[in-house]
Formats: sequence, C-alpha cells, structure tokens
Amino acid sequence: EAGVVQSPRYKIIEKKQPVAFWCNPISGHNTLYWYLQNLGQGPELLIRYENEEAVDDSQLPKDRFSAERLKGVDSTLKIQPAELGDSAVYLCASSFGSTGELFFGEGSRLTVL
Amino acid sequence: DQQVKQNSPSLSVQEGRISILNCDYTNSMFDYFLWYKKYPAEGPTFLISISSIKDKNEDGRFTVFLNKSAKHLSLHIVPSQPGDSAVYFCAARPSYDKVIFGPGTSLSVIP
Repeated sequence: EAGVVQSPRYKIIEKKQPVAFWCNPISGHNTLYWYLQNLGQGPELLIRYENEEAVDDSQLPKDRFSAERLKGVDSTLKIQPAELGDSAVYLCASSFGSTGELFFGEGSRLTVL
Repeated sequence: DQQVKQNSPSLSVQEGRISILNCDYTNSMFDYFLWYKKYPAEGPTFLISISSIKDKNEDGRFTVFLNKSAKHLSLHIVPSQPGDSAVYFCAARPSYDKVIFGPGTSLSVIP
C-alpha cells in the first residue's frame, strides 16, 4: 500500500514569491493534516481536514497561507508571498478517523532566500 | 507555552543497553499518548501508543510507561540497537483530537 505522498521534496524560492505543496494521503484516510516543522522542534499543526472540511485551522496564518482539499482526497498548501521565516519542512499526514495514529509523508523542505 | 515537553535534546546509549526517553505534559485533558520516530530526511513514523486508562504498553523491544499523577511518560528501548538512532517525538492528544508534539530527543546508539 502506498504511503502519504508529498511533492516537491525540496523547494528554494526568493522571498515574496509564491509556493505550493501537494499531498496525496493514504487511500481511505478521511483525515488529513498539514504540519510545520522548524529545525530542532516538533511538528506543529497548521490545518486539519475531515474529508473536505477544514475542522481546525486556528494555527494557519491566513494572511499568507491557504489550503484546500478538493473532493476530500488530495490537498494543496499554498504560501503567498513567502517570507524568510517560512523556511521549514512542511509535513502532510493522514489518518483513518481520529485515532491519533498519523501516517506522515516525507515532507517538503522549503528554503526562502 | 509547550504542552508536551522533552527536556533532553539528546541521549547517547551503548548498544545492548537500555534507552530511556522521557516526556512531560501539562494538559490534564490529554487522554492518548504516542511516540514517533524520525530518521533524517524522512517523515515521522508511528512507534507505540498508550491510552490514559493504562500505565504500560509493550511492543517488542519498546515499552511506554505512563504516570498520570506526575503527568509523565517514558519510552524504554531494550536492548538498544544502532538502527534505533533517530529523533523520538512524544505526542499527546486530548479528547478533541488535536495531536500535539514535543520538541524531540535525538537518540544515538553507539556500537
């Protein structure tokens, strides 16, 4: 069974440019998460979807970040415009229901110059 | 304000010995606890979990202990192997489902 797939794995952009990350969760997993991980820290939740609905986006900086999960499967996380402080790893995870056992993708490492 | 704390950023253990990774939490609403393991350039992978109704859960070489009165849990790895060298994240979930991660402990198992 395929795991959580994320792309791109690495992205280098200049500040003020837009960037988008894509995530394909494990088949059948209705819950999808986007986490942000800074160096030396644990993952921090940005947004959680139950099917198509964003049920927790309280930590998403909505002035520059947006996310969507069309048809309750794939998801895209966008940053526009990117700032230097956005350099981090963006992790996507999925789970079946809310058991807490999240399955993570390999992450998308963003570098903003 | 960190709700899940891992006060040891790193730990070195000799191969074959026991590794003990500690985690403290502040939110008494947490009812489910998890440990994740992360290798460089990979996403975290689920290792073991424990419900708040238990005080111990064992899976092969990995055992998690929960002390609710002290708001403390620990992960024991016996015996430690070089392949166990990774960053270990403690995580906790309150009844409303948001999983919160600690900052991680980097474990090095020395051959």
